[in-house]
Amino acid sequence: NAGVMQNPRHLVRRRGQEARLRCSPMKGHSHVYWYRQLPEEGLKFMVYLQKENIIDESGMPKERFSAEFPKEGPSILRIQQVVRGDSAAYFCASSMDNRYQPQHFGDGTRLSIL
Amino acid sequence: AQKITQTQPGMFVQEKEAVTLDCTYDTSDQSYGLFWYKQPSSGEMIFLIYQGSYDEQNATEGRYSLNFQKARKSANLVISASQLGDSAMYFCAMREGGTSGGYQKVTFGIGTKLQVIP
Repeated sequence: NAGVMQNPRHLVRRRGQEARLRCSPMKGHSHVYWYRQLPEEGLKFMVYLQKENIIDESGMPKERFSAEFPKEGPSILRIQQVVRGDSAAYFCASSMDNRYQPQHFGDGTRLSIL
Repeated sequence: AQKITQTQPGMFVQEKEAVTLDCTYDTSDQSYGLFWYKQPSSGEMIFLIYQGSYDEQNATEGRYSLNFQKARKSANLVISASQLGDSAMYFCAMREGGTSGGYQKVTFGIGTKLQVIP
């Protein structure tokens, strides 16, 4: 499968724990985007990364959330000290460029906080 | 103002009929792009169709076509010959901003839930 790979598909955490969401972009794609989707809502942009660089993090909460896209390996979205309000579907997308090509999405990670 | 407006929270269509899902957008940019994505109940986001602001022809992909009316700032999705598998949420999205050659951010609408009736 050459598509965007996200794992895990479902993640359950207790309040105060850390959540790590992984995303491997499509082959040949160097641009990665993270979005959050609350129930019955559209996708909200969180962060845009290229290899080893955060380009736009204007949608990321200032505390507890961080993202990286290392030279080797998948992009990681990390949420520290999770709270109930972090429960959502988190989608990763990748694209070949950051201007004209469409973003292709992974299947998402459904995060549930107990 | 909302960047992307989808005014139909839910739509019904009879199987084999055509259906139009509305999308209007707001931008002052000259160069922008419009997308439609489908999200079935299983949750994945599926890219359907793309229209660039300078494209003179309406985009088509199989049974999907995008009715692009630039002056009215609308980019409606038309699905012809609806199938039961078309039942899903449909999201309109726009990329805009950025200087020439620069990064363009994508904004999504809140979606329209389409149900195809046998």
